[in-house]
Amino acid sequence: DAGVTQSPTHLIKTRGQQVTLRCSPKSGHDTVSWYQQALGQGPQFIFQYYEEEERQRGNFPDRFSGHQFPNYSSELNVNALLLGDSALYLCASSFSGGGYEQYFGPGTRLTVT
Amino acid sequence: AQSVTQLGSHVSVSEGALVLLRCNYSSSVPPYLFWYVQYPNQGLQLLLKYTTGATLVKGINGFEAEFKKSETSFHLTKPSAHMSDAAEYFCAVSKGSQGNLIFGKGTKLSVKP
Repeated sequence: DAGVTQSPTHLIKTRGQQVTLRCSPKSGHDTVSWYQQALGQGPQFIFQYYEEEERQRGNFPDRFSGHQFPNYSSELNVNALLLGDSALYLCASSFSGGGYEQYFGPGTRLTVT
Repeated sequence: AQSVTQLGSHVSVSEGALVLLRCNYSSSVPPYLFWYVQYPNQGLQLLLKYTTGATLVKGINGFEAEFKKSETSFHLTKPSAHMSDAAEYFCAVSKGSQGNLIFGKGTKLSVKP
């Protein structure tokens, strides 16, 4: 049973560019959440998708947007990249029917130069 | 608003010694509490969770934590540290089963031979 997968593993972008990160949830999960983890910090919640809609959102600007597909996979898009967007981006999946746990993927390391 | 405070950004113990990582939370509603572990260059792995019921919860790898409502604490312990326990540990709180996770800043555990 595959866990949460994310692609790509690493990414280097230039300020002002746009980036798309991808996530496939654990089998049987229907909810996907995205977190940003800056170096030396705990993860911070960006947003959560359920039934292809954004259900919750953290304190992140509109430059951060997302999408969930019918197969429950998800994308995180960041426009007009800033140096401060450099971080590890973590995707977590869970099942809306209970269980409480969020299972995390290995993350995508984004470096903005 | 919910928040998590982890006391001690870095804890060092000897192999075989007791591990105690401290976590205090604030929440306006009954919290769901979690401990996650992160090994270098990896995502987060769930160690244990408290939702309702028994306040002493046991997790993987010999870790356990006790929910103390009066002290708003959820400290993580392990009777005997192993070299493989060296990692970063994050305490997190959420408002419900599908609520977003709010993380502490993490505690890096070092284990000396």
